[in-house]
Amino acid sequence: GAGVSQSPSNKVTEKGKDVELRCDPISGHTALYWYRQSLGQGLEFLIYFQGNSAPDKSGLPSDRFSAERTGGSVSTLTIQRTQQEDSAVYLCASIPAGGESRGTQYFGPGTRLLVL
Amino acid sequence: SQKIEQNSEALNIQEGKTATLTCNYTNYSPAYLQWYRQDPGRGPVFLLLIRENEKEKRKERLKVTFDTTLKQSLFHITASQPADSATYLCALSTNSGYALNFGKGTSLLVTP
Repeated sequence: GAGVSQSPSNKVTEKGKDVELRCDPISGHTALYWYRQSLGQGLEFLIYFQGNSAPDKSGLPSDRFSAERTGGSVSTLTIQRTQQEDSAVYLCASIPAGGESRGTQYFGPGTRLLVL
Repeated sequence: SQKIEQNSEALNIQEGKTATLTCNYTNYSPAYLQWYRQDPGRGPVFLLLIRENEKEKRKERLKVTFDTTLKQSLFHITASQPADSATYLCALSTNSGYALNFGKGTSLLVTP
C-alpha cells in the first residue's frame, strides 16, 4: 500500500522567505511526527500529533516554526522568515491506530530544504 | 545531559561476516529501544524494537540485545551482504513524552 508521502521533495528558498512542507500519512494512522535531520546529525524531534489531542510542540526550535494537522490526516509544517540554519531534511513519520505511541514509526522520504 | 552514542566511524566488513553495531546511552531510562535503517536520500525504515524487560530480539539475520545495566544495545547482522550497506540508527523512547530520541547513526559498508 501507499506509504507516507511528503512534498515537495526538494525546496530551495531565499533567506527570509516562508516555506510550507506537506506530509500525507498512511491512511488510518492517527499519530504523526515531524523530525529534522541536519547534515551529519541525528534526527531531531520537532512536533507530535495524536488524534484530536493538543500537539506536543516541545521540539520546535523557535516561534518561526509551526505545524498543523487538518482533519486528522494531512499535516503542514511552516517555517517563517527562513534562516540558513534551517537548511536540513524534514522528515514526517506516522504510527497506526492502536499502535504503541512509542512504537514503530513509518517515515516519509523527507523534504530537503536549502535556504540560500 | 542525555546522550545516545553510536560509532561515528564507518564500519567496513567483508560479505558473509557478522556486523556488530553499538548504541550507548546516558541519562535515559528507555522503555523501548529501536533500530532503523536509512539509505541515502530516504527516510529511516524500522527494523527491530526491544523493550526494557527484554534481553534479546531476533528477526531473520538480525539480532538486537539490550542491557539496561550497561546502558547499551548491540545490533548484529549475520551473514552480511552488500545490500546491507546503509546507515543504522538507534532510537530510544521513554515512558514520559512521545518523541523518539535518535543517535546519529553508524554507516555500514559490506564489501563483496
